[in-house]
Amino acid sequence: GIQVEQSPPDLILQEGANSTLRCNFSDSVNNLQWFHQNPWGQLINLFYIPSGTKQNGRLSATTVATERYSLLYISSSQTTDSGVYFCAVDTGGFKTIFGAGTRLFVKA
Amino acid sequence: GAGVSQSPRYKVAKRGQDVALRCDPISGHVSLFWYQQALGQGPEFLTYFQNEAQLDKSGLPSDRFFAERPEGSVSTLKIQRTQQEDSAVYLCASSTGLAGVYNEQFFGPGTRLTVL
Repeated sequence: GIQVEQSPPDLILQEGANSTLRCNFSDSVNNLQWFHQNPWGQLINLFYIPSGTKQNGRLSATTVATERYSLLYISSSQTTDSGVYFCAVDTGGFKTIFGAGTRLFVKA
Repeated sequence: GAGVSQSPRYKVAKRGQDVALRCDPISGHVSLFWYQQALGQGPEFLTYFQNEAQLDKSGLPSDRFFAERPEGSVSTLKIQRTQQEDSAVYLCASSTGLAGVYNEQFFGPGTRLTVL
């Protein structure tokens, strides 16, 4: 089955810093989402982005489907950005596969 | 409701007890998914419903796990004879589209199951 790898696994930032999170996948995908799991465990939708580029405030994402990767950019990070960021994909079947996540801690 | 809801939010069961976890998807959403999330890991797919039809149950860990969505809306995940390894957060998600086609999923808050 498809493999989804996220990097880095852990990231510590000073408030105000920028960062790039990466999601590599081993096969072509039909659907790709980025989620933020907050400290209370809620998965929050960030982007639905099987291809192309999207921006929402301080966050943006780019998926290059032909090269099998997606990037999530966080600019001017805030303490509330702390949590775990997941990439999730499917390849046209019924199963969605999540990466292991990037654990982000933003220091005040 | 405005989002996906799940109940109970927390469940403590003694080993060997049966439990039932409920998911109320966003109204009108065709697709419904169940996931299991162990501590420190990403969610793992359990099963998928398209309306009332269970089209994929390949992720269910054993025959002690059973899911249903009889009227194509509310879904229940049942675990029989719970074991300690069943302790996890169980997440439900729904989507207006079809898995594998257009599939933007929205998640509920989860049910944290602890088996003693």
